[in-house]
Amino acid sequence: QEKVQQSPESLIVPEGAMSSLNCTFSNSASQSIWWYQQHPGKGPEALISIFSNGNKKEGRLTVYLNRASLHVSLHIRDSQPSDSAVYLCAVNGQGGRALIFGTGTTVSVSP
Amino acid sequence: DAGVTQTPRHEVAEKGQTIILKCEPVSGHNDLFWYRQTKIQGLELLSYFRSKSLMEDGGAFKDRFKAEMLNSSFSTLKIQPTEPKDSAVYLCASSFRTENTGQLYFGEGSKLTVL
Repeated sequence: QEKVQQSPESLIVPEGAMSSLNCTFSNSASQSIWWYQQHPGKGPEALISIFSNGNKKEGRLTVYLNRASLHVSLHIRDSQPSDSAVYLCAVNGQGGRALIFGTGTTVSVSP
Repeated sequence: DAGVTQTPRHEVAEKGQTIILKCEPVSGHNDLFWYRQTKIQGLELLSYFRSKSLMEDGGAFKDRFKAEMLNSSFSTLKIQPTEPKDSAVYLCASSFRTENTGQLYFGEGSKLTVL
């Protein structure tokens, strides 16, 4: 069974700073890795995904994937109070299995 | 476009009752998922359907949890009988999935409290 672990559990950053979140997974053959954002009382929303080793940038978001070390990170540049949310890392299992989620990192951006 | 719709948003049940949660996926999506979310365990898969066929079910949830796809645009999750440890948010999600990828679209969830 694929395992997904996230760190830190929570993060407080000042407005304008970089937020950096980490995720490790257990199977190097996993397909896409996704990051989701969840605000209180809402369902998770997909932010960004990555499949190939290396990095991917979309707006203020950058994702780095290293399959050899089973590690993916999400960096949010110029963090805003509206970025305060829970961030979930999710991995596609092999053979078309459902996404497996980590337990999340709670980010609080202080004005 | 309508997103994923879940009803009810909140449900309070007595221990031993049967509850049914409902989900309408995004029109045209072929995959439907039920997850349970708690602070400690995070999101746990309950069931995954592709084109109405059951693809996966969460092993730990087989005995009292039953998800069904009544048609391509409606699914239910029945919990029978409920126990206090079932208190959680139940999330439904859908996607139009290709071979290796699949962005999930989640509903806002049904929060269940079992007394």
